Amino acid sequence: QKEVEQDPGPLSVPEGAIVSLNCTYSNSAFQYFMWYRQYSRKGPELLMYTYSSGNKEDGRFTAQVDKSSKYISLFIRDSQPSDSATYLCAMSGSGGGADGLTFGKGTHLIIQP
Amino acid sequence: EAGVAQSPRYKIIEKRQSVAFWCNPISGHATLYWYQQILGQGPKLLIQFQNNGVVDDSQLPKDRFSAERLKGVDSTLKIQPAKLEDSAVYLCASRGGRAQTNEQFFGPGTRLTVL
Repeated sequence: QKEVEQDPGPLSVPEGAIVSLNCTYSNSAFQYFMWYRQYSRKGPELLMYTYSSGNKEDGRFTAQVDKSSKYISLFIRDSQPSDSATYLCAMSGSGGGADGLTFGKGTHLIIQP
Repeated sequence: EAGVAQSPRYKIIEKRQSVAFWCNPISGHATLYWYQQILGQGPKLLIQFQNNGVVDDSQLPKDRFSAERLKGVDSTLKIQPAKLEDSAVYLCASRGGRAQTNEQFFGPGTRLTVL
């Protein structure tokens, strides 16, 4: 069993839809949870950063962490074609996110105009 | 502020050859990471530096991979000799600076193809 599981997709939705992406993990030591967006032939860029359980909202993006279920989610409201990319969940332990990150495989998201 | 710079962007080599990648982190960032991203996978940490010291190299295949960060700024990652399974994108990331956020900033990566 991999430490972080993420459905690679592709996930195709129409413009304006609400998108739900998620990851499960097995290592209970993970405390810091991140979502990165990666466009083709580019490096990942940080979208959301959360500590422990709870919700965090930033514009059209909402990140949720449920440590009891070892399950994290990213919701995108009013999805746009420019949101088409690969979304990577990432996690780290007690180093405050300064540790090296453990990534999921990434979900390839396609927003249809 | 300028981002993380990497070169070359692309490299094609034959198996058993040697190759080196270079990374220049964001100015003032003390922590530097090298990740390997195989096609269809998420990045995997190879090595983490704090200034010029190694913090974590537990996933670095030390029989063929080496990395250094002289003077705590630029870093090079070397593969010698390369294998077919080393074909991947090698990403450099850095963290730190005045704001001391936890965000790791990634460079564009070097795409290595081993034939």
